[in-house]
Order: sequence, then structure tokens, then C-alpha cells
Amino acid sequence: AQKITQTQPGMFVQEKEAVTLDCTYDTSDQSYGLFWYKQPSSGEMIFLIYQGSYDEQNATEGRYSLNFQKARKSANLVISASQLGDSAMYFCAMREKGGSEKLVFGKGTKLTVNP
Amino acid sequence: NAGVMQNPRHLVRRRGQEARLRCSPMKGHSHVYWYRQLPEEGLKFMVYLQKENIIDESGMPKERFSAEFPKEGPSILRIQQVVRGDSAAYFCASSPLGAGPGSYTFGSGTRLTVV
Repeated sequence: AQKITQTQPGMFVQEKEAVTLDCTYDTSDQSYGLFWYKQPSSGEMIFLIYQGSYDEQNATEGRYSLNFQKARKSANLVISASQLGDSAMYFCAMREKGGSEKLVFGKGTKLTVNP
Repeated sequence: NAGVMQNPRHLVRRRGQEARLRCSPMKGHSHVYWYRQLPEEGLKFMVYLQKENIIDESGMPKERFSAEFPKEGPSILRIQQVVRGDSAAYFCASSPLGAGPGSYTFGSGTRLTVV
């Protein structure tokens, strides 16, 4: 069975600093995808970044990067130069390729950016 | 190009009533997914539908819950005889056939409160 673990219920960071949100996963599949979503207080789910299990390079999207360590089964999200608007819940999720395309989510990390 | 539209945004039902949640996928998207988010939890997969077909309903409770995605019109998640434990945020996502990961787009959710 798939499992996503986010061990940090809450994180605090000073504005303009970098922060790493942890995510570990468990799967027996060789082909899978890893996602990070942001959920602000307004409630919508915003796609941030994706990493495929066969991608050789770590994914980057603007201030977001994914520190993918396949052997350790970790996919940590790094946010550089934090902004006040980054305060939100962040969810890590996994999808197995060739399945029904459903996502399995972790419980999330609440990030608070302090001025 | 409108995103995934869910309505209503908020729904209050008394115990024993029926709840109908609607999801209009993005234009050109033929796949719809429903997820449920309990308080302080990540999203949990419920059902995956294509037009007129249920592809994967492994996350649906066996009783009281049903979903459809007709040839015309929105996808409907129906909860009969609601109980307090059904109170949650229900999210719909859509994607086109053969989509890349970033095109898996979520709606803003429906917050169901059972009183």
C-alpha cells in the first residue's frame, strides 16, 4: 500500500529565508510521480511542482524546488526567499503510473512565514 | 478558460437529508476525480470517473455515497442520509486524457456541514 509521511505538523520561517518541508513515501512501484500542493486559508488546492520517479534532475519551478532522494524515498520541498503569502498548508502526494491516476496525500505541513 | 467549478462552495444539511455536490471539469477534460478532506487531514481519494463510466470507486464508502459523470452536464457526488461524520471538504479534480501532471486541476471545494 502507498503511504506518504509528512512529519512536520507546523513550520515557521522568517520572511526572505529558505525553508524545507519534509516528505517521505513508501511504494513498491518503480514508476510513480510525486506532487506538492499548497492550500491557503481560502481552501483551494494549488499545484506547485512535480517529480517523476525516472526524472534525473530535481524539479524546479521558480522559488520551489524538490529535493528528490530516490534511495531514501524522500521528496522534500524547498521554498527559497519565503514570502508572507507562502503561509499555507502544504501537501505532498504520490501517484502510481499505470493506475487509476488517483493521488495519495500526506497529512500536510502548516507553514507560517513571519515578517 | 474557466477552471474546475464546484458548487455550492458551502452546504449545510441536517442529519438524514441528502447532499448533492456538483463539479464541472475544465473544458476539454474528460476525467473527474473526487476527494474528501476531513479536518486536519490530507485529501483522500474517493472515486474516478470518465464520461458515463466509473473507473475506480475504491475510496467510496459502500453505503449512502454515489457518483456520476453523465454525457452532458456536471459530475455529481451524492450523499444520502447524511451523518455528522460526513462533514468535510469535498474536492473535485479534472484532467484530460493522457495528461501531464500539472494538468490535474482541483476545484475550490465544497464545504459540507451536517448539523
